[in-house]
Amino acid sequence: GENVEQHPSTLSVQEGDSAVIKCTYSDSASNYFPWYKQELGKGPQLIIDIRSNVGEKKDQRIAVTLNKTAKHFSLHITETQPEDSAVYFCAASKGTDKLIFGTGTRLQVFP
Amino acid sequence: SAVISQKPSRDICQRGTSLTIQCQVDSQVTMMFWYRQQPGQSLTLIATANQGSEATYESGFVIDKFPISRPNLTFSTLTVSNMSPEDSSIYLCSVLSTQEGEKLFFGSGTQLSVL
Repeated sequence: GENVEQHPSTLSVQEGDSAVIKCTYSDSASNYFPWYKQELGKGPQLIIDIRSNVGEKKDQRIAVTLNKTAKHFSLHITETQPEDSAVYFCAASKGTDKLIFGTGTRLQVFP
Repeated sequence: SAVISQKPSRDICQRGTSLTIQCQVDSQVTMMFWYRQQPGQSLTLIATANQGSEATYESGFVIDKFPISRPNLTFSTLTVSNMSPEDSSIYLCSVLSTQEGEKLFFGSGTQLSVL
């Protein structure tokens, strides 16, 4: 079955710097890759997603890139702010199969 | 996106008791799911809540321990039965919304602590 690995597990950056979180997946048939942000005491919030027919997608300060050949996808956050501090989860699925989540990255943005 | 209300938001329970968690969605959705998130861990799918029929459980989860109801397209409950400290987790309701393509949205979760 699908397996998703996520790195790093923790990431600390200075406010204004960029942050990059990477995920790899095992099933080449996977075609949907969402990213979730989870703040303390809250449920995961969908922040951006990408499907396999696209290589990159941007939404203001966040972007996701997908390399199907290498089977990895990445979340890029530019001009980080303290409110970006949270745990971020990547996930992957194919068709109508369930989402398989990565292990999470705790991002801390220091002012 | 769908607005998902989950309650209680947190509870502290005694070993051996049961807790029922409710999930209400502001629009009709076909697919509803229940997830567990153990402390500091990722999300694990417990089951798919099927409207009008028995839930579909993932490997490692059974109906006797986690009975689920889905009486209509906007509401579901998850019961955690005969609780032990190992059941201490965040339990999350989620729905698949087709309004913007098929995307999964989560409720705010129920933080359960079992003493």
